Amino acid sequence: EVKLLESGGGLVQPGGSLRLSCAASGFTFTDFYMSWIRQPPGKAPEWLGVIRNKANGYTTEYNPSVKGRFTISRDNTQNILYLQMNTLRAEDTAIYYCARTRRGHYFDYWGQGVMVTVSS
Amino acid sequence: DTVLTQSPALAVSPGERVTISCRASESVSTRMHWYQQKPGQQPKLLIYGASNLESGVPARFSGSGSGTDFTLTIDPVEANDTATYFCQQSWNDPTFGGGTKLELK
Repeated sequence: EVKLLESGGGLVQPGGSLRLSCAASGFTFTDFYMSWIRQPPGKAPEWLGVIRNKANGYTTEYNPSVKGRFTISRDNTQNILYLQMNTLRAEDTAIYYCARTRRGHYFDYWGQGVMVTVSS
Repeated sequence: DTVLTQSPALAVSPGERVTISCRASESVSTRMHWYQQKPGQQPKLLIYGASNLESGVPARFSGSGSGTDFTLTIDPVEANDTATYFCQQSWNDPTFGGGTKLELK
């Protein structure tokens, strides 16, 4: 059974940093692209970025809205996906999901999400 | 960015057929996918590649369309289909529609 479990969310002040983790199990982690997606409460999801699989060199792509502030990485020995978020703003407040990503850049499994609140 | 436009809400009775539309601001070929999200839950993939039913999803759900106009159909609608439905394109950087909230009468 595919499982994705995010952690690391919480309250952070504007300008601060936070690192989210996503523990993956139930599939061969290195075979899959993985994405981060966020969703402000009551709004539509927003794709943040993707990290490709082993066959594609674990390269990354980002939404321009977060490029330069957010970094996606993965630990393929422990099957963990990360999202490093810097210079956080109030508009970054959202539920953050990790999602297994198929080659067509759609998302077949999502974690339960973790809330990030940016506020003073 | 490719903008996806969805009607905000629909209300139907159980047993009826409902179509949920999604219009893209430019052609996305068949790179359109549909998700169901119930309150307090993560989105769930229903349809990928415009018309392919994801494994485990009931055959009451179907998708169609290409280019800029797409449709998700539920036939017949059941009470537990109450949810918000999002379309998502992957022709370029993934974007999502604003969602259609489906309510049962």
